[in-house]
Amino acid sequence: SQQGEEDPQALSIQEGENATMNCSYKTSINNLQWYRQNSGRGLVHLILIRSNEREKHSGRLRVTLDTSKKSSSLLITASRAADTASYFCATDATSGTYKYIFGTGTRLKVLA
Amino acid sequence: EAQVTQNPRYLITVTGKKLTVTCSQNMNHEYMSWYRQDPGLGLRQIYYSMNVEVTDKGDVPEGYKVSRKEKRNFPLILESPSPNQTSLYFCASSLYGTNVLTFGAGSRLTVL
Repeated sequence: SQQGEEDPQALSIQEGENATMNCSYKTSINNLQWYRQNSGRGLVHLILIRSNEREKHSGRLRVTLDTSKKSSSLLITASRAADTASYFCATDATSGTYKYIFGTGTRLKVLA
Repeated sequence: EAQVTQNPRYLITVTGKKLTVTCSQNMNHEYMSWYRQDPGLGLRQIYYSMNVEVTDKGDVPEGYKVSRKEKRNFPLILESPSPNQTSLYFCASSLYGTNVLTFGAGSRLTVL
């Protein structure tokens, strides 16, 4: 089955810096989503990008998608301590099975 | 408030003692799903349901059962729990066609 792999596994930055995390997947997709998880809590949807889109913005978030490389990146600009969390990408198969596949996540720590 | 509610939030049980984790959503979502989260493995899908009386296996269904008799409820049943089912479990729901998952707060299960 397809699986998203985030890179890096962990990232530590200073407040105000930008944070970039990457996701790679294995098979064709309809869309790719990014979710945030604060320690041990439920995941919260951040942004969805469709397979025919290359870039999308939402506030301080910028997502890119390269379907030829089967990869996506999430950029958080001007990071804040409150951005400290784990970030996951999730993909769904083009077969329409609604089997969402999540990656293993990137743990982001923003130092004040 | 629109939400997905899981119960119990924490449970310690013993091998072989049947248990049910309930999941309820108040958003009239057609799609519901269960995931387990383990360190280093990300979220893995257990079962999902496209609508009432329609359920299907995810990637790790062994040892679990589900039912969808009402649109709002999607309980996860562990008929004979084993220690390898110790995990953090999440229920999620989605409005058909949006692909955006709303997650519950999680249920931390320990099987001794």
